[in-house]
Amino acid sequence: QVQLQESGPGLVKPSETLSLTCTVSDFSITASYFWGWIRQPPGKGLEWIGNIYHSGTTLANPSLKSLFTLSMDTSKNQFSLRLASVTAADTAVYYCARRNGGGYFDFWGQGILVTVSS
Amino acid sequence: AIQLTQSPSSLSASVGERVTITCRASPGIYGGLAWYQQKPGKSPKLLIYDASTLESGVPSRFSGSGFGTEFTLTISNLQPEDLATYYCQQFNIYPHTFGQGTRLEIE
Repeated sequence: QVQLQESGPGLVKPSETLSLTCTVSDFSITASYFWGWIRQPPGKGLEWIGNIYHSGTTLANPSLKSLFTLSMDTSKNQFSLRLASVTAADTAVYYCARRNGGGYFDFWGQGILVTVSS
Repeated sequence: AIQLTQSPSSLSASVGERVTITCRASPGIYGGLAWYQQKPGKSPKLLIYDASTLESGVPSRFSGSGFGTEFTLTISNLQPEDLATYYCQQFNIYPHTFGQGTRLEIE
């Protein structure tokens, strides 16, 4: 059973950089899957941020203006998300998930609430 | 980007009833559509993929159908634990997009 766990700060100041890490257990991130980030502002719907493959290939949501950076540390079986110059609009629960070979997200982390506030 | 529009935005039904949620895609897509269930305070859970394939472990009262521009999620014999928000998602065309969600309440 694949397990994913997000970690990172729960509070970030405006204009600073948000960094989140997803630790994957019981499954190697070097297997033939993409790994993704999705966020959900409080009381709102889901928004896909981007996917990363172990080769380093990344696919990002163009509507997010390339402010996100995705990376992977295969030695730690982790992948990460960085968002620069955060604003209050980036306040959300951030989820990491495994994108199955079929294209859908079949395993999700529990999510981490990140609040952007001074 | 593919736009997904769900209807209704919310609905209320009684235990034992059958409910249907619609997801319309513009422009149309092939069968690359998934349905997720998100219970309050929890992460989304995959229910159906490829429009109609039930994920392992999901009760058979959930079913999906559709192709092209219109897809449906049907829940038969509604149970109290089905209280949740349901999302559709298309995954064949980047960027991935989600519907806005349908909140299901149990009367």
